[in-house]
Amino acid sequence: DVKVTQSSRYLVKRTGEKVFLECVQDMDHENMFWYRQDPGLGLRLIYFSYDVKMKEKGDIPEGYSVSREKKERFSLILESASTNQTSMYLCASSASQGAKMETQYFGPGTRLLVL
Amino acid sequence: GQQLNQSPQSMFIQEGEDVSMNCTSSSIFNTWLWYKQDPGEGPVLLIALYKAGELTSNGRLTAQFGITRKDSFLNISASIPSDVGIYFCAGKTGTYKYIFGTGTRLKVLA
Repeated sequence: DVKVTQSSRYLVKRTGEKVFLECVQDMDHENMFWYRQDPGLGLRLIYFSYDVKMKEKGDIPEGYSVSREKKERFSLILESASTNQTSMYLCASSASQGAKMETQYFGPGTRLLVL
Repeated sequence: GQQLNQSPQSMFIQEGEDVSMNCTSSSIFNTWLWYKQDPGEGPVLLIALYKAGELTSNGRLTAQFGITRKDSFLNISASIPSDVGIYFCAGKTGTYKYIFGTGTRLKVLA
């Protein structure tokens, strides 16, 4: 079974703090993704990475950066947290080879509250 | 960003009833996925579809990849209380990117 884990289930941070969200997958997947999920807006892609040290902007990258130093780990960084970044953050991973391998598997999510 | 049209947005059903929901798009997709999300949890993959016309089952769940490749359907037969949750569709566009539906919130009345 694919397992995607996220470092925290709940986080409370203050405005202006630097926040790190960590995601680890154990299936040797090439692709990793960060989404945020907000009521009425569904899942929106922040960044994704298709290889170590490679990254691509998603639909809403402003205010975020990412790091992929190792294949299994993909970090989302909020350089200076703001209240409008309060959200549920979901990490996902997928393999690259063949259509059936490109299915995305999600972690349990990190609910972030910025005060 | 682009989103899929998913309907219905929410539904109440009686235990034992069958449920149908669908996703439509103006774009063609080459993969459709269906997920279920429980409150406070991440989405869990239910069914994956890779070919137009494909019909795939997973227990009481059946999903179909529309012939036009612009839609997909999910059916749940004989619903039970633990079917409660939000169901999302996702269509694959490009090499890596998925577009997600806005979700169907299902509530089952015992």
